[in-house]
Amino acid sequence: DQQVKQNSPSLSVQEGRISILNCDYTNSMFDYFLWYKKYPAEGPTFLISISSIKDKNEDGRFTVFLNKSAKHLSLHIVPSQPGDSAVYFCAASTSNTGKLIFGQGTTLQVKP
Amino acid sequence: KAGVTQTPRYLIKTRGQQVTLSCSPISGHRSVSWYQQTPGQGLQFLFEYFSETQRNKGNFPGRFSGRQFSNSRSEMNVSTLELGDSALYLCASSMALETQYFGPGTRLLVL
Repeated sequence: DQQVKQNSPSLSVQEGRISILNCDYTNSMFDYFLWYKKYPAEGPTFLISISSIKDKNEDGRFTVFLNKSAKHLSLHIVPSQPGDSAVYFCAASTSNTGKLIFGQGTTLQVKP
Repeated sequence: KAGVTQTPRYLIKTRGQQVTLSCSPISGHRSVSWYQQTPGQGLQFLFEYFSETQRNKGNFPGRFSGRQFSNSRSEMNVSTLELGDSALYLCASSMALETQYFGPGTRLLVL
C-alpha cells in the first residue's frame, strides 16, 4: 500500500522557468511533510518541509504548498537552474515516530 | 557541524554472511533512523532509535537488527545475507524527530 505517491516519474523544464513537482498521500495521520533532493549513490539532501498546520512554506527559490483536503502537496522551484537536476522525493511522517514514508521520486531535468 | 557519517561506504559480501554498518549522527542529534533503498522498492524505513531504544520498526525480517550507543552512534546488522539485500543503506539523524538529515549511505553488494 503506497501511502505517498509521486505519479510523475520525470519532469523536464527549461532553465529559468518554474518546476512543479507533485505528491499525493493517503494517510490523514501524516502531519509533517518534507522534500529531499537526491543524486545517485548519495544520501538525500533536505530541501524544505511543512507542518500540517500550514499551507505554504517558502525558502529562497523553493516553496512547498500543502492542500490537506486533497491530501496533496507540491514543490515549486523558481527559477529552475541546471544544478537542480536530480531526483526529488517527497516524504511524510506522523509526529514522534522517526519514520519517514517516501514517494517513488520524480527525476527533474532542467535544460540550459 | 559535521554531517551524518556512515562507514563503510562500499561493501561486498557473499550470501550467508553477515554485515555490520555504522552511523555517526550529527552532534546533538539523539534520534537515528535507518532506510534501505533499492531500485524496485524505493526508500523504505528499517528502524529508528532514540536514547538507545528502538522506538519504531519497519516491515523487514528479523535478520535486520540495530542498536544505538550512549553517544548516539548507531549500528545496523544484517545476518544471513541474501542477494536481495543488495541496496544502498541510509542512516538519518534528527534532533526533534521531524527533519531528518541523511548520511551518504553504504552501498552493499551481495554476491
